[in-house]
Amino acid sequence: QKEVEQNSGPLSVPEGAIASLNCTYSDRGSQSFFWYRQYSGKSPELIMFIYSNGDKEDGRFTAQLNKASQYVSLLIRDSQPSDSATYLCAATGGGNKLTFGTGTQLKVEL
Amino acid sequence: DAGVIQSPRHEVTEMGQEVTLRCKPISGHDYLFWYRQTMMRGLELLIYFNNNVPIDDSGMPEDRFSAKMPNASFSTLKIQPSEPRDSAVYFCASRLSGVNTGELFFGEGSRLTVL
Repeated sequence: QKEVEQNSGPLSVPEGAIASLNCTYSDRGSQSFFWYRQYSGKSPELIMFIYSNGDKEDGRFTAQLNKASQYVSLLIRDSQPSDSATYLCAATGGGNKLTFGTGTQLKVEL
Repeated sequence: DAGVIQSPRHEVTEMGQEVTLRCKPISGHDYLFWYRQTMMRGLELLIYFNNNVPIDDSGMPEDRFSAKMPNASFSTLKIQPSEPRDSAVYFCASRLSGVNTGELFFGEGSRLTVL
């Protein structure tokens, strides 16, 4: 079992809708969680991180963390075609090793 | 500022050949990571360095893989001999210590195809 699990998708949402991306992790020692976006053929780039239970908002993006359920999610409001990409969830236990999920492909349709 | 620079961007080689991938981290960054990405397994950490010293190489698949960082501005990942199952995109990433430990800056990757 991978330490960080994501549904590979694709997740298709219409333009303007809310996209909800989910991630679960198995290591209860994980402390920090990150969302990376990767466009096709490009490298991953960090878009959000969250350390504490609850919600963290940044523009159209909201990261949610529930440590009791070992669950992390990313909400994208007012989805745009430019949001179409693969979203990678990652976790670290406070050390230097960042463990990634396999990613969820998001398609925002016109 | 220049980002992480990797070369070559694409490499096609035959089974049994030696492959060397190169990385120049962002100036001033003291952590360097090598990742491998495949469709099946996603992004996997192979090895990372701190201040040019290898800290954790537990992700290196086998003895055919080796990595070096002779100075703060250069690292190599070598595969000898290469096998078809090594085909993947290899990413180098760097970051600065003392900041968000999850904020890695990735290079554009080296796409390796072993025939």
